[in-house]
Amino acid sequence: QQPVQSPQAVILREGEDAVINCSSSKALYSVHWYRQKHGEAPVFLMILLKGGEQKGHDKISASFNEKKQQSSLYLTASQLSYSGTYFCGTDSTGANNLFFGTGTRLTVIP
Amino acid sequence: GAGVSQSPSNKVTEKGKDVELRCDPISGHTALYWYRQSLGQGLEFLIYFQGNSAPDKSGLPSDRFSAERTGGSVSTLTIQRTQQEDSAVYLCASSLVRVNTGELFFGEGSRLTVL
Repeated sequence: QQPVQSPQAVILREGEDAVINCSSSKALYSVHWYRQKHGEAPVFLMILLKGGEQKGHDKISASFNEKKQQSSLYLTASQLSYSGTYFCGTDSTGANNLFFGTGTRLTVIP
Repeated sequence: GAGVSQSPSNKVTEKGKDVELRCDPISGHTALYWYRQSLGQGLEFLIYFQGNSAPDKSGLPSDRFSAERTGGSVSTLTIQRTQQEDSAVYLCASSLVRVNTGELFFGEGSRLTVL
């Protein structure tokens, strides 16, 4: 039930853009995105619900393609503070039981 | 504080000993999750409690692992006869499941080292 994330790691210079992908073999009710900085707990970024939608705040946005069972996280004009490991969590039952991908390590350098 | 509280924050034990890890969720949160994160790895699902429903134990790696949630609040994860491969950070999270949201709030984790 674990979703697959790609890429596993990416290095960006400040101001560059990145896309992180998440795909599932199961039909999904929702997709969550979280960011975890080194030595800290994961922190919620956003949730996308069944029905297909796009969300965003600041320069981080995401899309959810229900039919393809995929979600993508878009980071534009990256900042140093964006560095961390990004996890997608997927719910295939509607009960908000989340299975997380293996994560994408994002490093933003000056 | 108002966040998810986990204890102990660090636990070093000898192989073969039993350990208990505790999680105090945010008050009023009906859902509680346990995940395991090995060094540099992703979040491995262990168990999920939601209200009065039977917990989803499908992620527990062996019968040495068990968890309970008393009174719909505090949860204890127990690992019996610990092995070195059990070494990891055990993360607890809670959420208030409702339409259009359900974000998980994570605790700081309990780092378990089995010697």
